[in-house]
Amino acid sequence: SQQGEEDPQALSIQEGENATMNCSYKTSINNLQWYRQNSGRGLVHLILIRSNEREKHSGRLRVTLDTSKKSSSLLITASRAADTASYFCATGDDKIIFGKGTRLHILP
Amino acid sequence: SAVISQKPSRDICQRGTSLTIQCQVDSQVTMMFWYRQQPGQSLTLIATANQGSEATYESGFVIDKFPISRPNLTFSTLTVSNLSPEDSSIYLCSVEEMPGTEKLFFGSGTQLSVL
Repeated sequence: SQQGEEDPQALSIQEGENATMNCSYKTSINNLQWYRQNSGRGLVHLILIRSNEREKHSGRLRVTLDTSKKSSSLLITASRAADTASYFCATGDDKIIFGKGTRLHILP
Repeated sequence: SAVISQKPSRDICQRGTSLTIQCQVDSQVTMMFWYRQQPGQSLTLIATANQGSEATYESGFVIDKFPISRPNLTFSTLTVSNLSPEDSSIYLCSVEEMPGTEKLFFGSGTQLSVL
């Protein structure tokens, strides 16, 4: 069963704008991860945030985690055409369970 | 970071046949994970493959349909047996970046279409 639910399912924005995706989960976690998938191929790990962290940055990526609301958000700033992809949140320790994903489309 | 080679990258198969997918890692890893991604859907874990023991299957997946081999610490195969159109999916193998990190590296995936 899937742990995470991303919101929105699909998002189209103009190049240069910021993109925000949200993830809600059901059970307690030790960490939460975000992955990117281009064109239905292998996933690429973006960032991991631990349950005792509230915010984490990596380049143009900013991830927040609110364990009281069981939710996380991924912000991509100054979006580029190359950011067009599907983004998944994932939770788990021994086995990683993925959410349904958000399809992000950056318009030129 | 691990380099994962997955073959074939895509295949078109007839109903009732089988397809074996290979996953080669450039370093020794304890666990390898096999995922299925149905069209437009997220990833679903099929099984975890440990070297020297039988794979551990998730609910809804059985060994007869998805036999897995793990002959050594760098290689695994997943076979999808008795294919039907419902098996048309992307199949992905993955490994942990380092034991206990929970970060996964993925192969490039196998796009399977069943006619």
